[in-house]
Amino acid sequence: AQTVTQSQPEMSVQEAETVTLSCTYDTSESDYYLFWYKQPPSRQMILVIRQEAYKQQNATENRFSVNFQKAAKSFSLKISDSQLGDAAMYFCAYRNAQGGSEKLVFGKGTKLTVNP
Amino acid sequence: NAGVTQTPKFRILKIGQSMTLQCAQDMNHNYMYWYRQDPGMGLKLIYYSVGAGITDKGEVPNGYNVSRSTTEDFPLRLELAAPSQTSVYFCASSNPGLAHHEQFFGPGTRLTVL
Repeated sequence: AQTVTQSQPEMSVQEAETVTLSCTYDTSESDYYLFWYKQPPSRQMILVIRQEAYKQQNATENRFSVNFQKAAKSFSLKISDSQLGDAAMYFCAYRNAQGGSEKLVFGKGTKLTVNP
Repeated sequence: NAGVTQTPKFRILKIGQSMTLQCAQDMNHNYMYWYRQDPGMGLKLIYYSVGAGITDKGEVPNGYNVSRSTTEDFPLRLELAAPSQTSVYFCASSNPGLAHHEQFFGPGTRLTVL
């Protein structure tokens, strides 16, 4: 079974600075997808960024980018120019590309605090 | 589109009571999911469905039942509520084959069992 590990229960960053959240995963599959979800206090799960394992290029979405190291099974999220609205729980998630159900496996999350 | 909707938003149950958490989506997605999120934890899959009439167990199915009679609706049933089922429940949906591979989540239902 696949597992996702987020080793940082909490992180903090100064407004306008850069922060990196860590995620490692374990799988024997070669084709899969990785995601970062944001969960603000409203509880709504919001997709931040996705990465296809077959793509070597790291995904970017505006201030959010990932460092995907397939051999090391590492998938970190970098938030640049941090804003107060970035404060939230961040979850790393994994999904097999095959299997037909698109089930997600989540890490335990990292709580990000942004200090003004 | 309303996306994924869940009712109720909050509920308190007594031990042994039963209830149904409602989930509906208007995006014509074939796949639907139920997750639970315990305090300080990530989401864990309870049940999922790949189409009307087809359901399967996820990681933590004990104490729950589901049905999928229509594409739009995917209710989650708790028959004999227990304190261990105190959690936030999320319903999600997705459409296989879409390029973005995204699951869309509902706003969640906070359930407390006393």
